[in-house]
Amino acid sequence: DTGVSQNPRHKITKRGQNVTFRCDPISEHNRLYWYRQTLGQGPEFLTYFQNEAQLEKSRLLSDRFSAERPKGSFSTLEIQRTEQGDSAMYLCASSLDPTPETQYFGPGTRLLVL
Amino acid sequence: AQSVTQPDIHITVSEGASLELRCNYSYGATPYLFWYVQSPGQGLQLLLKYFSGDTLVQGIKGFEAEFKRSQSSFNLRKPSVHWSDAAEYFCAVGPRGGADGLTFGKGTHLIIQP
Repeated sequence: DTGVSQNPRHKITKRGQNVTFRCDPISEHNRLYWYRQTLGQGPEFLTYFQNEAQLEKSRLLSDRFSAERPKGSFSTLEIQRTEQGDSAMYLCASSLDPTPETQYFGPGTRLLVL
Repeated sequence: AQSVTQPDIHITVSEGASLELRCNYSYGATPYLFWYVQSPGQGLQLLLKYFSGDTLVQGIKGFEAEFKRSQSSFNLRKPSVHWSDAAEYFCAVGPRGGADGLTFGKGTHLIIQP
């Protein structure tokens, strides 16, 4: 069990560029979550996968955001046409059925949009 | 809608003194309750969780928390803090009956005085 990993750890981009983040969950964890954390705030839920199926999306997830988990293992979060307001820490968490569940978080990807 | 309130944005405690961090939640039923700790630039580490049963739960690093249904509270305590406890602490609630995103409070920043 190596924990949840996220890459890259830091990303600086210019406004209007596309960025993609990767999350590798704990092995055999079938649930995967994405959260966004802005400065001075707690994490806010973005979306959730059960295996490869995306089952829930927050209203925070605008049309510029897309997430995938093609084989039910790692996941990617893409932001298109980045805006300065997208600057945040993007956290990934994974958990294992059944309920009740405990979510284990990765170290996060810090995005800065200039 | 569910919500979590952490009334104290900052708390300063002397090393060796006791600590209590407050957490109040609003939820339609008894939720699952969590405390996470976040060091600067890092992801979240689970300290403890409450699902059911004994309302006093023990966690890692000498922390404990008590669930009080009548007060909708889940306060975190530690009898004697160490300088390494300086960090951001987040209380979170999760729904019963299935997986879903956690709802976090805004966090309490713990400062340890020598």
